[in-house]
Amino acid sequence: IVLTQSPATLSLSPGERATLSCRASQSVTRYLVWYQQRPGQAPRLLIYDASNRATGIPARFSGSGSGTDFTLTISSLEPEDFAVYYCQHRSSWPLTFGGGTKVEIK
Amino acid sequence: EVHLLESGGNLVQPGGSLRLSCAVSGFTFSSYGMSWVRQAPGKGLEWVSAISGSGGSTYYADSVKGRFTISRDNSKNTLYLQMNSLRVEDTAVYYCAKPGVPDGDYWWFVEWGPGTLVTVSS
Repeated sequence: IVLTQSPATLSLSPGERATLSCRASQSVTRYLVWYQQRPGQAPRLLIYDASNRATGIPARFSGSGSGTDFTLTISSLEPEDFAVYYCQHRSSWPLTFGGGTKVEIK
Repeated sequence: EVHLLESGGNLVQPGGSLRLSCAVSGFTFSSYGMSWVRQAPGKGLEWVSAISGSGGSTYYADSVKGRFTISRDNSKNTLYLQMNSLRVEDTAVYYCAKPGVPDGDYWWFVEWGPGTLVTVSS
C-alpha cells in the first residue's frame, strides 16, 4: 500500500490552521497513524486509527478520514508544531509510511 | 518509564554484515511486538521489520527481505536486527519502536529509541 502525502511543504504562520493530507493506494479502513518529527529527534505518535489522539497530545491536533483519504488538522499552529509529519498504515503487511509533509514557518 | 536504546551502528563496506541491538526496560518485553524503522539521511521514514512478542511471527519490507533477520531474546529484554549483504542504500539511522498495546495487530509506535547510524560505504 502506497501512502501519498500532500502537500510536500506547507508554509504557514503561527496561529494559522494546517491541513495535511494522506491518500492510500487502496483502502486501509481506519488503520491510519500520524507522527510528528522534529529535527534531530525520533518520531512522536500523534494520532492512531485515523482519529484517536495519543496520550498527551494537545487537542489542537485532530485526525479524520477512512478508506483511502485521511486528514491531519492542526487548528492553530504553535511554534513547536513546525516540523515534519508522516502518516503510516497498519492495515496489512508490509507497513508503510508516507513521504512526509514539512510544515514550515512562513 | 519505558526506555529503548539501540546499538551496533557502524561504518561497513557494501556486501558486509552488521547486527543491531535494542535494549529495552520499563515494560514486559515479551508481551509486545517490536519493530525496526529506518531513516536515510535527509529522507523520510521507512518501516523495515517487525516481530511478535513470542518471536514466532516476523515481517519484512520487500527492500530487506532475504537480507535482514529480526529476532529477540525475551530473557535479555533485547531486540536484534541481523543485516547481511548490505548495500549503500541501507545507509540510515535505525530506530527500534514499540507499539502502545500488547501483542496484537496494534502496530502504531508510541515509544522510539534515539536511533543508531549505519553507514554503508567503501
